[in-house]
Amino acid sequence: GAGVSQSPSNKVTEKGKDVELRCDPISGHTALYWYRQSLGQGLEFLIYFQGNSAPDKSGLPSDRFSAERTGGSVSTLTIQRTQQEDSAVYLCASSLAGSTDTQYFGPGTRLTVL
Amino acid sequence: GENVEQHPSTLSVQEGDSAVIKCTYSDSASNYFPWYKQELGKGPQLIIDIRSNVGEKKDQRIAVTLNKTAKHFSLHITETQPEDSAVYFCAALDDFGNEKLTFGTGTRLTIIP
Repeated sequence: GAGVSQSPSNKVTEKGKDVELRCDPISGHTALYWYRQSLGQGLEFLIYFQGNSAPDKSGLPSDRFSAERTGGSVSTLTIQRTQQEDSAVYLCASSLAGSTDTQYFGPGTRLTVL
Repeated sequence: GENVEQHPSTLSVQEGDSAVIKCTYSDSASNYFPWYKQELGKGPQLIIDIRSNVGEKKDQRIAVTLNKTAKHFSLHITETQPEDSAVYFCAALDDFGNEKLTFGTGTRLTIIP
């Protein structure tokens, strides 16, 4: 079946611009996660959605970052007024119910801020 | 919060030899430890996981061991093959209703033919 998809695969933007990154989770998965992966680093947790519960935003690095999940499915990560340090690969994952269920990752969006 | 350290950062082994990657964690309440493999240009993929009620788990050439007392866990790959070349990440999940996985910084494994 279809896995997690993300778009765009690559995004180049100028400093100060806003960007939107999209994630389509696996159908039926109630949990959705966003991570950031900087060059040569591990995965940094950003935000977690579980069903209709309030999202866990504790990993968002600043108020320029926000995310929403509409209808319990598609999620959008928005970065406002992008900075060069925002350059990274942004990964989305989904799981059937929670963190002890296998997290299936998408291919990521590579964001480059010039 | 949880802190996960992973060693080594790079590892090269001859094809057919074994590879071992080690991780330590800080939160004694952590109870779930997955390992992910990430190939170039792709997202991480779960290859094996272990929960705190067992000490070892095997799946063909891959095994994971867990020492709760010492708070460390290891990935063992035997009879390595070129397709095992990738970046491997360990992770830990704590038990206090915190649904976040904390990842190690990764190990780049290279299998030398």
